[in-house]
Amino acid sequence: AQRVTQPEKLLSVFKGAPVELKCNYSYSGSPELFWYVQYSRQRLQLLLRHISRESIKGFTADLNKGETSFHLKKPFAQEEDSAMYYCALDRGGSNYKLTFGKGTLLTVNP
Amino acid sequence: NAGVTQTPKFRVLKTGQSMTLLCAQDMNHEYMYWYRQDPGMGLRLIHYSVGEGTTAKGEVPDGYNVSRLKKQNFLLGLESAAPSQTSVYFCASQRGGYGYTFGSGTRLTVV
Repeated sequence: AQRVTQPEKLLSVFKGAPVELKCNYSYSGSPELFWYVQYSRQRLQLLLRHISRESIKGFTADLNKGETSFHLKKPFAQEEDSAMYYCALDRGGSNYKLTFGKGTLLTVNP
Repeated sequence: NAGVTQTPKFRVLKTGQSMTLLCAQDMNHEYMYWYRQDPGMGLRLIHYSVGEGTTAKGEVPDGYNVSRLKKQNFLLGLESAAPSQTSVYFCASQRGGYGYTFGSGTRLTVV
């Protein structure tokens, strides 16, 4: 079965510092990877899809199949980036189910 | 364009009571999902549907039932609520492979 691991429950950085949220996955096939963000008491929003290779709000993520990782990065963190971040995997198939990691709570301090 | 709407937003139930959570989407999406979100556990899939009239079990289906009689609606039922079902419930839909659109969640407390 597929698994998504986000090793850090909490991550705290200062404004302007680089930030990297780690995501590792285990799946033998070719998955699609996503990052979702949830601001305080709001709904989850799609941040990135690896297949689209886009940059949203200054965040980027590269799929590393060798290391089975999909880390989320931003060179200069902003206070408004404080949120819960979830990495998710779609193993493919006809139901498009997502398996989520347990999330990382990012706090950006002023 | 409402997207995905969940009702109710909050509910307190007594143990043994029943209730239905409604998820409605106006994007003509085929796929719909119910997740529960618990501290330290992330999101876990309860049930899902790949089209009108179809449902399937997810990772944590016990104690829940679902129905998808209309394409735009996906109902989650709790027949006999238990304190372990205290959680935040999120509904999501998608067209297929493009990522989920989530509802705003239902915060359920079972006492």
